[in-house]
Amino acid sequence: DAGVTQSPTHLIKTRGQQVTLRCSPKSGHDTVSWYQQALGQGPQFIFQYYEEEERQRGNFPDRFSGHQFPNYSSELNVNALLLGDSALYLCASSLPPGDAEAFFGQGTRLTVV
Amino acid sequence: AQSVTQPDIHITVSEGASLELRCNYSYGATPYLFWYVQSPGQGLQLLLKYFSGDTLVQGIKGFEAEFKRSQSSFNLRKPSVHWSDAAEYFCAVGAVYGNKLVFGAGTILRVKS
Repeated sequence: DAGVTQSPTHLIKTRGQQVTLRCSPKSGHDTVSWYQQALGQGPQFIFQYYEEEERQRGNFPDRFSGHQFPNYSSELNVNALLLGDSALYLCASSLPPGDAEAFFGQGTRLTVV
Repeated sequence: AQSVTQPDIHITVSEGASLELRCNYSYGATPYLFWYVQSPGQGLQLLLKYFSGDTLVQGIKGFEAEFKRSQSSFNLRKPSVHWSDAAEYFCAVGAVYGNKLVFGAGTILRVKS
């Protein structure tokens, strides 16, 4: 079992550009959540996808969007990048709420210059 | 709104000494509580969780935590720290297991030999 895998591991982008981050959930998991972890802070919830729909959303602007595919993998897209978007982006997968453990990937380190 | 406070940004303990990391939460109902550990540049690994029942929960790597409703606390403890325990520790609260998590800012543990 490969666990939660994220790609790429590191990424450098320029202000104003767009970026797509990818996540493959743990085998058997159908729910994917994304978190942003700025340097020196705890992870902050961005949104969660289940059955290809956004089910919950945190306090992030519309520049942050996502998608979930039929195979449960997910993408996080960020448009019009700002320097403040530099962070570690973590993906977590789980079974539907009520009887599930969230497993985290290793994250994608995004640097905006 | 849910919130988590970890009062200690850094803690240094000697190898073999006992450890207690503090966590206070704010949540309107019975919380689901978690402790995660993060090594540098890595994702999050679940140490233990509390949903209901016995207020003293055991986790992996010899860690335990005690839920105290009257104090809104969920402190993490370990009787004897090993050098490999050096990492950052995050306390988190959730409404439903596997659902959105709210994290504290983390406590960095340093272990001196």
